[in-house]
Amino acid sequence: AQSVTQLGSHVSVSEGALVLLRCNYSSSVPPYLFWYVQYPNQGLQLLLKYTTGATLVKGINGFEAEFKKSETSFHLTKPSAHMSDAAEYFCAVSERIIFGKGTRLHILP
Amino acid sequence: NAGVMQNPRHLVRRRGQEARLRCSPMKGHSHVYWYRQLPEEGLKFMVYLQKENIIDESGMPKERFSAEFPKEGPSILRIQQVVRGDSAAYFCASSPPAGGLGGVTEAFFGQGTRLTVV
Repeated sequence: AQSVTQLGSHVSVSEGALVLLRCNYSSSVPPYLFWYVQYPNQGLQLLLKYTTGATLVKGINGFEAEFKKSETSFHLTKPSAHMSDAAEYFCAVSERIIFGKGTRLHILP
Repeated sequence: NAGVMQNPRHLVRRRGQEARLRCSPMKGHSHVYWYRQLPEEGLKFMVYLQKENIIDESGMPKERFSAEFPKEGPSILRIQQVVRGDSAAYFCASSPPAGGLGGVTEAFFGQGTRLTVV
């Protein structure tokens, strides 16, 4: 069975500061991993994905994530937070696209 | 190429009524997923369908809930005899056929249907 754990249901960072959202997964097969973002009253939009190959994955809006098999992690980072990044972020693992509970990112002015 | 279309966006039902939620996948997508989202609980997988076939319904409640994805037309999530606890946002996603051992490479989400049971 596959599962995802996101540490921290709410994360607050100052504008311009580093964003780090944590995600750990469990999977019995080589996983595909995803980060999605959800803005209020919207569906989910794919930020980035890891399937195979390079373990550092770059996505939209300046986000990136690194697949670390030894740590079973796929943490999401962005060097400098912007107010428009305030949203809820979901980490997910294939093949049924099982989601974590989400992390709500707050940006402090 | 239109995205995943869900309708209605908002649905209000009285306790005991039936709710029917529709999802039209993206063109060329043969796989559909349904999720339920409750506040502070993230997205819970409910069911995974291909056309005319339920692949995985391990997340579906055993009673009152059913899903279908017919050969023609949208996927339908049906909730019979709704109760207040069914109030939630229901999201549909679609994907092309899975590739490789890892599963699907990407799923596209609709805007969701917000069900309110009064």
